[in-house]
Amino acid sequence: DSGVTQTPKHLITATGQRVTLRCSPRSGDLSVYWYQQSLDQGLQFLIQYYNGEERAKGNILERFSAQQFPDLHSELNLSSLELGDSALYFCASSADSSYNEQFFGPGTRLTVL
Amino acid sequence: SQQGEEDPQALSIQEGENATMNCSYKTSINNLQWYRQNSGRGLVHLILIRSNEREKHSGRLRVTLDTSKKSSSLLITASRAADTASYFCATEQKTSYDKVIFGPGTSLSVIP
Repeated sequence: DSGVTQTPKHLITATGQRVTLRCSPRSGDLSVYWYQQSLDQGLQFLIQYYNGEERAKGNILERFSAQQFPDLHSELNLSSLELGDSALYFCASSADSSYNEQFFGPGTRLTVL
Repeated sequence: SQQGEEDPQALSIQEGENATMNCSYKTSINNLQWYRQNSGRGLVHLILIRSNEREKHSGRLRVTLDTSKKSSSLLITASRAADTASYFCATEQKTSYDKVIFGPGTSLSVIP
């Protein structure tokens, strides 16, 4: 158990809908990272938040947004969902703003029908 | 963009043998990390090697980094069935965009 929790574990929704994925980092970790893992694209870095502020952006679509709250939990919002958004979404956390030793959550499996 | 490329894509060995996986990347990095993923589960950090280091050990793991060739290797010695998993290298780029890039992974099967 990494100490990172993600909810929900599974999500099935329809195209055009909007969903929110939630992540609670390990106790004391200030950074949260979001990743998307799909068979065709592999593991893609989406975005990083550090202590409530956006720190770095990767391959995140404009339809996706994220935020980190004062209690350091984070949410990833996916809107206008398309079939191609079906994937595993992982959250990871680390103690500081560096990318060293990230602890990954169990993931949320999103299926868009 | 694909920074890290693992090789081979899949590897099958007998328990007790050594497993070697390679990772190549394209641009300058701050560090390179290796992660393990059991089927459909979250990744587990294995080891980090900084750009000014050449070799690092952790238990049965040995990682090398050759920045001139932009490549790294992960050696797992005396493999066990429990080592069956996918292994990913992740590079932290010096640029701010696409900060962390994971390779496509090597699927390792260790046969008891």
